[in-house]
Amino acid sequence: EVQLVQSGAEVKKPGESLKISCKGSGYSFTTYWIGWVRQMPGKGLEWMGIIYPGDSDTKYSPSFQGQVTISADKSISTAYLQWNSLRASDTAIYYCARPRSADDDPFDIWGQGTMVTVSS
Amino acid sequence: DIQMTQSPSSVSASVGDRVTITCRATQGIGSWLAWYQQKPGKAPKLLIYAASSLQSGVPSRFSGSGSGTDFTLTISSLQPEDFATYYCQQTNNFPLTFGPGTKVDIK
Repeated sequence: EVQLVQSGAEVKKPGESLKISCKGSGYSFTTYWIGWVRQMPGKGLEWMGIIYPGDSDTKYSPSFQGQVTISADKSISTAYLQWNSLRASDTAIYYCARPRSADDDPFDIWGQGTMVTVSS
Repeated sequence: DIQMTQSPSSVSASVGDRVTITCRATQGIGSWLAWYQQKPGKAPKLLIYAASSLQSGVPSRFSGSGSGTDFTLTISSLQPEDFATYYCQQTNNFPLTFGPGTKVDIK
């Protein structure tokens, strides 16, 4: 079964750093892109960026460029989303997802989501 | 960025009703449009890709149409499990932007 399993919920303070993870299984991790989507409380979906684990080619939405870092470790089939300095406005659910094939395909496989709460 | 709008923002319907949701892009995107369903507390689920192609395993009561800037998602006969929020997404240009969502709830 193709699966993306994300790390657990996080509670952090403003200014702290954070790295959440997304582990792929049931398919060749290095031959599919992995993307990240933000959903702020009660709000819609926002496409953040996408990475190709095979060569770490990464594309960011301008809205998130410089705010987060997307990375991957193909040796353990895991993608990451990282913040160096969290803000309260980063409070959201973050989903990783795999496109049907190419980087500009819609996402047909989704992780369960990671809730990130940033509060002093 | 390409902006996506959806209408209505919410719709109240009964089981068995035909429901149509509209999505519009600020510039032409060909047929590069997808539709997702999201239920509370769950990840989104892909329903339709390339404007009208049904994702594997999705019931045939869901259908999509349109091209260019105007698209529709139709649920031919609403079932209890269809009460959810529906999002469109353009897949023509990065960033791949989503619409704001349409909530389908029980009348």
